[in-house]
Amino acid sequence: DIQMTQSPSSLSASVGDRVTITCRASQSISSYLNWYQQKPGKAPKLLIYAASSLQSGVPSRFSGSGSGTDFTLTISSLQPEDFATYYCQQSYTTPFTFGPGTKVHIK
Amino acid sequence: EVQLVESGGGLVKPGGSLRLSCAASGFSFTNAWMNWVRQVPGKGLEWVGRIKSRTDGGTTDYAAPVKGRFTVSRDDSKNTLYLQMNSLKTEDTAVYYCTTGAVPYGMDVWGQGTPVTVSS
Repeated sequence: DIQMTQSPSSLSASVGDRVTITCRASQSISSYLNWYQQKPGKAPKLLIYAASSLQSGVPSRFSGSGSGTDFTLTISSLQPEDFATYYCQQSYTTPFTFGPGTKVHIK
Repeated sequence: EVQLVESGGGLVKPGGSLRLSCAASGFSFTNAWMNWVRQVPGKGLEWVGRIKSRTDGGTTDYAAPVKGRFTVSRDDSKNTLYLQMNSLKTEDTAVYYCTTGAVPYGMDVWGQGTPVTVSS
């Protein structure tokens, strides 16, 4: 199975900050990498698919990059509604696997 | 409105069975690849299984912890996805979500989740 890791596991940031979350796959997954946002008690929400494609309706302050084994989710200017947990997920092959998550806290 | 609504969760004893349903509306369910994903409260996300559309073969794939015990199926005439769970274990306790998701487009629609508790 492909293992996904994320760093950091949590971070504290202020409104307006630029935030970067890293995801690494245990083997090359080309660009088959998706990013999700989850708020407490809610289902996850797709933000980015295929490493860098912005899902319809998602604000442009979210962006994704990377290919192969290393990927990045960037929030260009953190907004109050962005405090949540973020997960990466590989869709290169089954079993699909998720990263352990990165929790973004208010500083 | 594009929507997925899960039902069928509840309390079941170890070794028991449960069938979850996911009713789809607002999109072409017949052409959709569908997944089940679960989450232990306070923990991360775990993919459970997938079924492709009938036109793409209708084949299924499963995560190792559930393979041989869980079955994903679909009834396109009812726009409904199912997860049959047999030989349930305490470690199957989680909230179960159904999602759409054909590669490489990500899981773009999620239901609200249905909780399953396996306990004696």
